Amino acid sequence: DAGVTQSPTHLIKTRGQQVTLRCSPKSGHDTVSWYQQALGQGPQFIFQYYEEEERQRGNFPDRFSGHQFPNYSSELNVNALLLGDSALYLCASSPGLAYNEQFFGPGTRLTVL
Amino acid sequence: LAKTTQPISMDSYEGQEVNITCSHNNIATNDYITWYQQFPSQGPRFIIQGYKTKVTNEVASLFIPADRKSSTLSLPRVSLSDTAVYYCLVPNSGGYQKVTFGTGTKLQVIP
Repeated sequence: DAGVTQSPTHLIKTRGQQVTLRCSPKSGHDTVSWYQQALGQGPQFIFQYYEEEERQRGNFPDRFSGHQFPNYSSELNVNALLLGDSALYLCASSPGLAYNEQFFGPGTRLTVL
Repeated sequence: LAKTTQPISMDSYEGQEVNITCSHNNIATNDYITWYQQFPSQGPRFIIQGYKTKVTNEVASLFIPADRKSSTLSLPRVSLSDTAVYYCLVPNSGGYQKVTFGTGTKLQVIP
């Protein structure tokens, strides 16, 4: 049983560009959350998707947007990249909104130059 | 906004028991407390979750006093592979999965 998978593993972009990160949840999971983890910090909640809708959102600007597909996979899009967007982006899945335990993927390391 | 406070770092020798305490003064009545472990360049991994008193699983125990303003993660007989960052989480308003991780406790196990 594959766990949460994310692609790509690493990505290098320049300021002002746009990026799309992808996540496939663990089998049987329908809820996906995205987190940003800067170096030396804990993960910060970006938003959560369930039934193809954004259900909750953290304190992130509109440059951060997402999508969930009918097969429960998800994308995170970041527009107009800033140097400060450099971070590890983590995807987590769970079998429903009310489920406390989340299963995290290995993350995508984004570097903005 | 729910907030947790943990020690920034701890050192322990192999084979010792390690206790990491987290304070969460404004935890809501029905909130669970969850602990995650994270190795470098990996996503966090769920360790244990509890609501009150004591919870034990195959890797750790979680002690929660009656006032629930703090909790203690106990790792029995740590090994070098337990070197990681440990996060204590309580939910923010809006749901269990909208959580704040904080900076966590970096545990270094020494041979």
